[in-house]
Amino acid sequence: AQSVTQLGSHVSVSEGALVLLRCNYSSSVPPYLFWYVQYPNQGLQLLLKYTSAATLVKGINGFEAEFKKSETSFHLTKPSAHMSDAAEYFCAVTGTGAGSYQLTFGKGTKLSVIP
Amino acid sequence: DAGVTQSPTHLIKTRGQHVTLRCSPISGHKSVSWYQQVLGQGPQFIFQYYEKEERGRGNFPDRFSARQFPNYSSELNVNALLLGDSALYLCASSSTTIRVGSGNTIYFGEGSWLTVV
Repeated sequence: AQSVTQLGSHVSVSEGALVLLRCNYSSSVPPYLFWYVQYPNQGLQLLLKYTSAATLVKGINGFEAEFKKSETSFHLTKPSAHMSDAAEYFCAVTGTGAGSYQLTFGKGTKLSVIP
Repeated sequence: DAGVTQSPTHLIKTRGQHVTLRCSPISGHKSVSWYQQVLGQGPQFIFQYYEKEERGRGNFPDRFSARQFPNYSSELNVNALLLGDSALYLCASSSTTIRVGSGNTIYFGEGSWLTVV
């Protein structure tokens, strides 16, 4: 079964510092991978997705993620954190075959940005 | 264009009661999925419907059911509510039921907060 593991339930960075949120996937076949952001009391917004077209994926709000098959990773980065980036971030993976219609999410990483 | 809309946004129910949550997908989208997000966890897949037929079901008890209407809107029903059903219920829509991500993106609504007391 497809799964993702997010390392660190809570990450704090200073405003202007690098943001690095970690996600490792478990899959027997090349997966599709996603990063979603959830602001307090809101639904999920897609940041970016990997669909095998390019290993470096650029998303909204200055975020990007790199698919590394050798490390089974899809870490999310942003060069300079902004106060508005404070939110919870979820990594997700598709199923395969009969499960390809659903997303399997990690437990999430809450990002705090310190002024 | 309107996004995925859900109602109600918040509700409180008593153990043993029944609840119905509603979802309208993005115009033109024929697929609706439901996810449960318990506090502090990632969303978990409950159902997917496409063209009014159930196409997928997650690991949830039979107390959970859903349906999709001819206009592609959907209802999620939960019977015999338990305290553990307290969660944010998210509806998502996509244009087709083909493999997620292959030119097909899932869009989420803002959810319905259910509290069971």
